[in-house]
Amino acid sequence: EDQVTQSPEALRLQEGESSSLNCSYTVSGLRGLFWYRQDPGKGPEFLFTLYSAGEEKEKERLKATLTKKESFLHITAPKPEDSATYLCAVQENSGYALNFGKGTSLLVTP
Amino acid sequence: DVKVTQSSRYLVKRTGEKVFLECVQDMDHENMFWYRQDPGLGLRLIYFSYDVKMKEKGDIPEGYSVSREKKERFSLILESASTNQTSMYLCASSPGGGDYGYTFGSGTRLTVV
Repeated sequence: EDQVTQSPEALRLQEGESSSLNCSYTVSGLRGLFWYRQDPGKGPEFLFTLYSAGEEKEKERLKATLTKKESFLHITAPKPEDSATYLCAVQENSGYALNFGKGTSLLVTP
Repeated sequence: DVKVTQSSRYLVKRTGEKVFLECVQDMDHENMFWYRQDPGLGLRLIYFSYDVKMKEKGDIPEGYSVSREKKERFSLILESASTNQTSMYLCASSPGGGDYGYTFGSGTRLTVV
C-alpha cells in the first residue's frame, strides 16, 4: 500500500483557472511533508515544507496546506510557466528518507 | 549558489558493464541519497548515507552498491548493468537532523543496451 497518493495524475488548466492538487498520506508519525516541482528532464526543485496540521505556506501563485491526512497545493490564476510535475513527499519521525508520491502532471494552456 | 552535481547527464552502457554514477554536493550536508525515477513508478529510494562510510539500503537496493569515502561525494555503482536498470537516476542531499527537504541534482539518464 502506497504511503503517499497524489491526485489527479494529470491536470489541464486554462491560464487563470485556479485549482488544487491533492496529496493524501498514511504514516505513523509525520516529521514533515514536502512539495517539489519537477520540469521535464530535470531534478525536482524544492517548494515547501509543512510540519503540522493547520500550517500553510505560500509562494507566488502557490499555496500549500496540511491536515492530518492530506495536503493540498492550491494554484491561483496559473500561467503557462507553472506547467510541470508536482511531487509530494513525506518524512516519518523515524527516518531520514523521503517517500514520494507519483506526482501530478500539470499543463497550463494560454 | 549551492549545488548537487551529477557527473553525467546522459550515459549509454552495455549489458554486463560495471557503471559508476557520481554525485558531489558543496553544501556540507551529512545526508545523501540515490533515487531512480521511472514513468508510473515515481521516485524510488535505492540507497542513502547519513555519514562518511555509512550506508543504508532503500526500497530497491538489488543490483546496486554505493560508496561514500568523502562527505561531499556519493557514488552509485551498478555491478553488472542490466536493461531493467535503464532509468533516470537522481542524487540528493540534505543537512543532518533530517528535518529538511532535499536538494536534488539534475539527474543522469542511463540507458543500458
